[in-house]
Amino acid sequence: AQSVTQLGSHVSVSEGALVLLRCNYSSSVPPYLFWYVQYPNQGLQLLLKYTTGATLVKGINGFEAEFKKSETSFHLTKPSAHMSDAAEYFCAVSYGGTSYGKLTFGQGTILTVHP
Amino acid sequence: AAGVIQSPRHLIKEKRETATLKCYPIPRHDTVYWYQQGPGQDPQFLISFYEKMQSDKGSIPDRFSAQQFSDYHSELNMSSLELGDSALYFCASTQRVGTNSYEQYFGPGTRLTVT
Repeated sequence: AQSVTQLGSHVSVSEGALVLLRCNYSSSVPPYLFWYVQYPNQGLQLLLKYTTGATLVKGINGFEAEFKKSETSFHLTKPSAHMSDAAEYFCAVSYGGTSYGKLTFGQGTILTVHP
Repeated sequence: AAGVIQSPRHLIKEKRETATLKCYPIPRHDTVYWYQQGPGQDPQFLISFYEKMQSDKGSIPDRFSAQQFSDYHSELNMSSLELGDSALYFCASTQRVGTNSYEQYFGPGTRLTVT
């Protein structure tokens, strides 16, 4: 079975500050890892994903994440927060292959950006 | 570019009524996933279809059923609705694009309110 834990249900940063959203996973097989963003009353938008290969993954809107197998982590970072980054962020894991799209999500982290 | 279409976007039903949610995947995408996101919760996998056959099943109540049609659109049928069924229902469509590479997109969701 797989599981995802996002540390911190709410994270607050100032505009221009570093964004760090934490995600740890548990999986019995090499996982596929994802970060999604959800704006209020909207759908899920893929920020970035790790499947195989390079462990540092760059996504949209300046976000990136690093897969660390030894730490079972996939933390999301952005060097400088923008007001438009305020949203809820979900880390997710799948087994990949034919189950690529069967995602197990974390509990979500609401990011607040202060002026 | 074409996106995943869900209809209706909003639906209000009374307890014990039935509801049908529709999902139209991106053209050439052969797999559809359904998720339920309750208020303030993370999305939970319900069911998936590959090439019109059920491929996986998650925490879907027996009151719910789903199918994928010959044109690849999918419908989620919900009967004997309960207040707890009020949620945002997402579908996602997936297509394999390489050996270990898939593309997946989520629809905007259908917000179901049961009164």
